[in-house]
Parts: sequence; structure tokens; C-alpha cells
Amino acid sequence: QKEVEQNSGPLSVPEGAIASLNCTYSDRGSQSFFWYRQYSGKSPELIMFIYSNGDKEDGRFTAQLNKASQYVSLLIRDSQPSDSATYLCAVGGTASKLTFGTGTRLQVTL
Amino acid sequence: GAGVSQTPSNKVTEKGKYVELRCDPISGHTALYWYRQSLGQGPEFLIYFQGTGAADDSGLPNDRFFAVRPEGSVSTLKIQRTERGDSAVYLCASSPWTSGGTGELFFGEGSRLTVL
Repeated sequence: QKEVEQNSGPLSVPEGAIASLNCTYSDRGSQSFFWYRQYSGKSPELIMFIYSNGDKEDGRFTAQLNKASQYVSLLIRDSQPSDSATYLCAVGGTASKLTFGTGTRLQVTL
Repeated sequence: GAGVSQTPSNKVTEKGKYVELRCDPISGHTALYWYRQSLGQGPEFLIYFQGTGAADDSGLPNDRFFAVRPEGSVSTLKIQRTERGDSAVYLCASSPWTSGGTGELFFGEGSRLTVL
């Protein structure tokens, strides 16, 4: 079992719809959870982080964390073509490093 | 500098050669990370520095890989006797995080290494 699992996609959603990206992790001791966006040929950029169970909203983005289920998700409301990218889930524990999933490719269609 | 700077942006070398990849982190960031990303994969952890010392080098694949950060700022990743399987984008990231746990990482644009 991989430490951080994501569906590789592509996930295709029409412009204006909600995109839902999911991630599961194996280490119950994980403490910090991040979503990075990576455009093709570019480096990852941080878009959201969450440390506590529940929802955290920032503009069109909402991160959701459920530690009991070892599950973290990212919702993107009113999806735009510029949101088309690979979204990487990253999980941090006590080891002071982030473990990344393989990423989910999102395509927002016109 | 304003962001994490990595040089070179592209490096093509022949199998068996030695390469050095350099990372200049965000000013004031004490934590520095090296990751490696292959096509279609997420970044894979290599090594983490807190200040000058390597706090965790568990991700280095073998003894051909070595990294230093002698003055607690710029870091160099060194790869000896390169192999074709070393071809990847090598990402450097820095973080202001100093206490336990993990804070957000800020990535450089990466150094794309191609071993022929």
C-alpha cells in the first residue's frame, strides 16, 4: 500500500462545476496535509493546507480532512480552465518531511 | 532572493559522469529539502537539512547520491557515476519551519537531469 494514494485521473469537469479531488493516507500519525497544484513543466505550488478535522475554505477552494478515515479532499468551486493542472496531495508527520501522492490530473472543459 | 533558485535548469550528461545541482533557498528559511520527480509521479523525498546538518537522508537511493549545505544556506546535490535511471527533475524546496512536524514547502523550478 502506498503511503499517499490519489486517483491519477484525468478528472474532467465542465467550466463552472465543482471539482472534487480525493486522497487517502496510511500513516495514522500524520499531522499536516497539503494540496499543491502543478502545471505541466512547472514546480508544485501550495494552494491549501489543513491540520484539523473538518473543512477549511479559501476562496473557491475547500480542503476537507477526516483523520478517522485517513482521508483528505479538495473541492474547487466554479472550476475555470486555468484550474487545469495536476493536484498533488502531500502528508506530513513527525519526520519533518512531506510525502506526496502521484497526483490527480484535472481537466476543466469549456 | 524572492524565491527558491535552482541551477542549472537543465543538465544533459553521459552515463558515468559526475553532476552537481545547486539550490539557493528563500532567505531566512532554515529547512531545505531535495526531492526527485519522475514523469507522471509525485515528488519523491531525498534529503532534508535543518541548518547545516542533514536531519534526514533516508530518501537518498544509494551512496552515489550526496548533498551538502555547509553554511546553512545554499545546498548542492551531488550525483556520482550517473545512470540513466537518475534522469528526473530534481526539486529543491525550503521552509521556515523550525519546530517538530512539517510546514509548507516552497519549491524551486527544478533542475531537469537527463543521463544519456
